[in-house]
Amino acid sequence: EAQVTQNPRYLITVTGKKLTVTCSQNMNHEYMSWYRQDPGLGLRQIYYSMNVEVTDKGDVPEGYKVSRKEKRNFPLILESPSPNQTSLYFCASTLVAGGRSPLHFGNGTRLTVT
Amino acid sequence: QKEVEQDPGPLSVPEGAIVSLNCTYSNSAFQYFMWYRQYSRKGPELLMYTYSSGNKEDGRFTAQVDKSSKYISLFIRDSQPSDSATYLCAIRKSSGDKLTFGTGTRLAVRP
Repeated sequence: EAQVTQNPRYLITVTGKKLTVTCSQNMNHEYMSWYRQDPGLGLRQIYYSMNVEVTDKGDVPEGYKVSRKEKRNFPLILESPSPNQTSLYFCASTLVAGGRSPLHFGNGTRLTVT
Repeated sequence: QKEVEQDPGPLSVPEGAIVSLNCTYSNSAFQYFMWYRQYSRKGPELLMYTYSSGNKEDGRFTAQVDKSSKYISLFIRDSQPSDSATYLCAIRKSSGDKLTFGTGTRLAVRP
């Protein structure tokens, strides 16, 4: 089944403890992206990647890192999480950026930072 | 001013009703318009895609774009309880540009 898989689905951590949220897609998509979804603010892009080894900042990149060493994987790294990073995170992928190609989303990771 | 505005709802309608969901946007440069549906505890999924002005129909769903008013709509005919979800509009200026999402409207269809 074609899908974007994120892990974990739920994560509770403490301020400053480094964490990684994994994202993997099995559709051979070139473009991958991370979003956070907050009430009243909607989906905001954190980072995106047009292809392997090519990443760029989105609208809210502060406090996050990403890497794209392989086409299928695009992990999101929080080196020193803070409470304002408590949010619902989505990974998404599409064949190529733009045009009619739809974004395929994972089922989300709910992160709580205390 | 946000680039795209969307009423958060919630919107509650009886089964069988016609539902109208709307977004307004501020920049006339936007050309690509999409609607995503997001069920509870799931990621958004693409529902409708429209380029430039006009209507597009797919089953019970119709997407409408009025570029002169900078207004986009999604109509759902004969709404069903399974349509209960959050609906997000998404817009893009050009083919390679990023997507800008509305905040979403939560819809509940009562049996």
